[in-house]
Amino acid sequence: GQNIDQPTEMTATEGAIVQINCTYQTSGFNGLFWYQQHAGEAPTFLSYNVLDGLEEKGRFSSFLSRSKGYSYLLLKELQMKDSASYLCAVMDSNYQLIWGAGTKLIIKP
Amino acid sequence: DTAVSQTPKYLVTQMGNDKSIKCEQNLGHDTMYWYKQDSKKFLKIMFSYNNKELIINETVPNRFSPKSPDKAHLNLHINSLELGDSAVYFCASSQERAGVTDTQYFGPGTRLTVL
Repeated sequence: GQNIDQPTEMTATEGAIVQINCTYQTSGFNGLFWYQQHAGEAPTFLSYNVLDGLEEKGRFSSFLSRSKGYSYLLLKELQMKDSASYLCAVMDSNYQLIWGAGTKLIIKP
Repeated sequence: DTAVSQTPKYLVTQMGNDKSIKCEQNLGHDTMYWYKQDSKKFLKIMFSYNNKELIINETVPNRFSPKSPDKAHLNLHINSLELGDSAVYFCASSQERAGVTDTQYFGPGTRLTVL
């Protein structure tokens, strides 16, 4: 079956760095997405990786290793507004998105 | 302007009723989706629809039926609502290019509560 694993919850301190991991087993691979979802709101797109390596976008970076079925989202200089759930999703061979359950990130002052 | 909009934002109804949720996107995208997010926050695809075909998730009960009057709209009709249908329903859209689906943009969600 297809499976996306990510930690349920993480806690970090304002101003610090946090890494959210995602491992996947899917039938085919056509890219990996990270979305941010604040409580009670819709998911919003953060990043897309289809080749191995690091993609940097401001305070957020996303890394992919296709051979290991692994990705991480790195958040730097954490702000209180970064408190949200972070969803990892993989596009399979049928171009369907398979979603992880999300990682709830709690930022403390 | 809101890119993907849904109405209503909240829907409270009795078991057994029939209800509809509307979705509109003004991004010019070819593909639209319906997702269900339950209390455990897990997003599950229900349907995807583009100009060419409707793709139905086999795990979705046939009480759920999508209707697309045009490519900018994808409505969700639910018959004989059950308690387990209570969830947040998200509409999303994306641009399909040569068989590759682009980033999905989500609507604000409809919180459905069945009493």
